Amino acid sequence: EDQVTQSPEALRLQEGESSSLNCSYTVSGLRGLFWYRQDPGKGPEFLFTLYSAGEEKEKERLKATLTKKESFLHITAPKPEDSATYLCAVQATGGSGGFKTIFGAGTRLFVKA
Amino acid sequence: GAGVSQTPSNKVTEKGKYVELRCDPISGHTALYWYRQSLGQGPEFLIYFQGTGAADDSGLPNDRFFAVRPEGSVSTLKIQRTERGDSAVYLCASSLNPGNYGYTFGSGTRLTVV
Repeated sequence: EDQVTQSPEALRLQEGESSSLNCSYTVSGLRGLFWYRQDPGKGPEFLFTLYSAGEEKEKERLKATLTKKESFLHITAPKPEDSATYLCAVQATGGSGGFKTIFGAGTRLFVKA
Repeated sequence: GAGVSQTPSNKVTEKGKYVELRCDPISGHTALYWYRQSLGQGPEFLIYFQGTGAADDSGLPNDRFFAVRPEGSVSTLKIQRTERGDSAVYLCASSLNPGNYGYTFGSGTRLTVV
């Protein structure tokens, strides 16, 4: 069964304290792995797509990496405005031939000034 | 439009009633997705449209749930005989095509069944 597991469930950091979020996945027919940011009361906001092992993407203080079994979202010198829930999702070939994206439960990040 | 629009933003209904949730995707986006998100959980896939047709409805929990997209643009998620367990945020997303691209999500409809 296709599955996405994120850890930790919650992470509390001081401003400037770098860390990493983990996303491990089990899926057949991986087409892409996505990272989203979700603020309270809002829909998820797309950050990155990774397609193959070894690939890396960067945006401001965020860098996403991908291996064959997991992805990491590295946060360098975070600021309070980086506080949000970070969702990992994988897109696999669906049973009916379509494309289904499966989300993990997310990591809630709190950055204190 | 500039983004994905969902209406209403909040809906409170009594158990057993029928509700309709609307999604207006980004103009030109052929793929449209419905997800359901409970508190503290990630979005759960419900159904995916490519154009007017439902390409994958395997996530619909039971036959009380139904969705349409008659003209390939606006979509409506319909829930019959609502139950308290249906309470959640219903998210709609669209993408230019069903390839491996990131989705643009709306802000969701918070459904509360009392």
